[in-house]
Amino acid sequence: GEDVEQSLFLSVREGDSSVINCTYTDSSSTYLYWYKQEPGAGLQLLTYIFSNMDMKQDQRLTVLLNKKDKHLSLRIADTQTGDSAIYFCAERTSGTYKYIFGTGTRLKVLA
Amino acid sequence: DAMVIQNPRYQVTQFGKPVTLSCSQTLNHNVMYWYQQKSSQAPKLLFHYYDKDFNNEADTPDNFQSRRPNTSFCFLDIRSPGLGDAAMYLCATSRNRERVQPQHFGDGTRLSIL
Repeated sequence: GEDVEQSLFLSVREGDSSVINCTYTDSSSTYLYWYKQEPGAGLQLLTYIFSNMDMKQDQRLTVLLNKKDKHLSLRIADTQTGDSAIYFCAERTSGTYKYIFGTGTRLKVLA
Repeated sequence: DAMVIQNPRYQVTQFGKPVTLSCSQTLNHNVMYWYQQKSSQAPKLLFHYYDKDFNNEADTPDNFQSRRPNTSFCFLDIRSPGLGDAAMYLCATSRNRERVQPQHFGDGTRLSIL
């Protein structure tokens, strides 16, 4: 079945880069999304990538996709305290309207 | 700004007392979704409306119902809330169900059961 996995916690110092990883199991053509959730709030769409792309960059965010290993990463450059949140990876595969969410990675940025 | 708005942000109800959560959108999107999110977990899809067509997930309890009177509004009704229904409820919208169309989430309603 479909499954999306993430590490639970990541701690970085302010100004450093953060790399949040995600692995997925479905090998069919797919869209992969990154969402940010701050405490007590909803999910904010950060970026997304289609499986025919290897990389997507948007300001401080870089998404890398390794299709062979079914591995997705989100790199946040110059991490700020305001980046502290839970980051969810989500997969959406061919023929379905549903997201398959990962468990979420809690990013803590130390000043 | 076009938005997905959920009211109220916090709702407290009594065990067994019906409660309604509301969601409105100014995006004019065709699809509206309701998710349940418990602490430290990923959101779980309860159901969605594609226009007026209601689509229930197989494992959504009968206790949860939804109404969509028009494009802009969607309601989540919990007929007899139990302690296990305490959670954050998230509403989301998308233009359609194509994979390329991302879902846009509201800020959620946190439901507490006394």
